[in-house]
Amino acid sequence: DAGVIQSPRHEVTEMGQEVTLRCKPISGHDYLFWYRQTMMRGLELLIYFNNNVPIDDSGMPEDRFSAKMPNASFSTLKIQPSEPRDSAVYFCASSLVQQETQYFGPGTRLLVL
Amino acid sequence: LAKTTQPISMDSYEGQEVNITCSHNNIATNDYITWYQQFPSQGPRFIIQGYKTKVTNEVASLFIPADRKSSTLSLPRVSLSDTAVYYCLVGDASSGANNLFFGTGTRLTVIP
Repeated sequence: DAGVIQSPRHEVTEMGQEVTLRCKPISGHDYLFWYRQTMMRGLELLIYFNNNVPIDDSGMPEDRFSAKMPNASFSTLKIQPSEPRDSAVYFCASSLVQQETQYFGPGTRLLVL
Repeated sequence: LAKTTQPISMDSYEGQEVNITCSHNNIATNDYITWYQQFPSQGPRFIIQGYKTKVTNEVASLFIPADRKSSTLSLPRVSLSDTAVYYCLVGDASSGANNLFFGTGTRLTVIP
């Protein structure tokens, strides 16, 4: 398996623009997680899905952030409109239903100017 | 509410054994303890997992006392390539997002 795949790897955009981050989890994994990492706050959970259904989105910072998982092999995290404080590395991870181990993607480094 | 507490940073000389302790006073009966390692510009990756006593694999050992309120990750004879951030997690997604607290981890710097 190729592991968790994220795209793009890098994104530079201007404040106010819409940003869409994409993730393909490992085939057969039932859980999908979106994290954000910054120097100040470390690695924070934004939202996670179980069998394509959002379970907990309490980590989503505000309404500008939204996430979807239309099928078992694809998820998106959207920021609209983006702001400079959204600059961070965004990770996607997936895991099997009964295992604690999460497998992380390489991350998307987002810079909002 | 954070479920785990670990030191912010540690330094060690190459070839030494490094022990990183994580406190988790409110661990639940069904919770496992999992450690992850993260190198710069990469996502965290699984190192070791345990429930009680001692677990050892080719990379590290995990020591868990009887009360399970803490755990210690032990890295034998560290090398420069072990310089990374180490995270301790307790529980899993099935018991709620509160268990998925990575925080800032412990930044280990190995000195030549």
